[in-house]
Amino acid sequence: ILNVEQSPQSLHVQEGDSTNFTCSFPSSNFYALHWYRWETAKSPEALFVMTLNGDEKKKGRISATLNTKEGYSYLYIKGSQPEDSATYLCAFMGYNNNDMRFGAGTRLTVKP
Amino acid sequence: DAGVTQSPTHLIKTRGQQVTLRCSPKSGHDTVSWYQQALGQGPQFIFQYYEEEERQRGNFPDRFSGHQFPNYSSELNVNALLLGDSALYLCASRHTGAAYEQYFGPGTRLTVT
Repeated sequence: ILNVEQSPQSLHVQEGDSTNFTCSFPSSNFYALHWYRWETAKSPEALFVMTLNGDEKKKGRISATLNTKEGYSYLYIKGSQPEDSATYLCAFMGYNNNDMRFGAGTRLTVKP
Repeated sequence: DAGVTQSPTHLIKTRGQQVTLRCSPKSGHDTVSWYQQALGQGPQFIFQYYEEEERQRGNFPDRFSGHQFPNYSSELNVNALLLGDSALYLCASRHTGAAYEQYFGPGTRLTVT
């Protein structure tokens, strides 16, 4: 994989549902994997930075895992709330760490 | 701390014109990166500035140029605008010693007609 790919492109869930989405990235030259939460008309907000294979991070109801050997990361949201509605972006950072390569994002809509 | 700020918020230009977008980094940050987000895509890296010099550049034509000032603020200039330059332009800042901690501004929405 040369690019960063996210799936699904969009997701509609009911309040209370748990959900997850995937980020695939190059497995070579890995330095860090970032997850951002981006609400419309606001700045992307950093959720997690993961650097080690097997990393698991958690912030409240949101958690993420990382597999650098196979080049994927999962983001999980437990008990989705309407305020979780946003676009979730992942970004790959290589060893030159001067730029970040973003996926196209997963747009999550949580219906009350 | 105001975080990363960008101006203007929105901008409408005509094909062939030139545009300048501005970014003020978060306090304490010395490195500024610019990204372009076209509709339906993730942000694409344009270039990064550190110590008033372009440190790295993405796959963008020379019509895209930038500048960083001694106070670390930055400008993105685009010449000879094309319809395809219509996008959201994001600025991100960090301290050069903290590669993981990159903060984004809210972006400037550029529409080229």
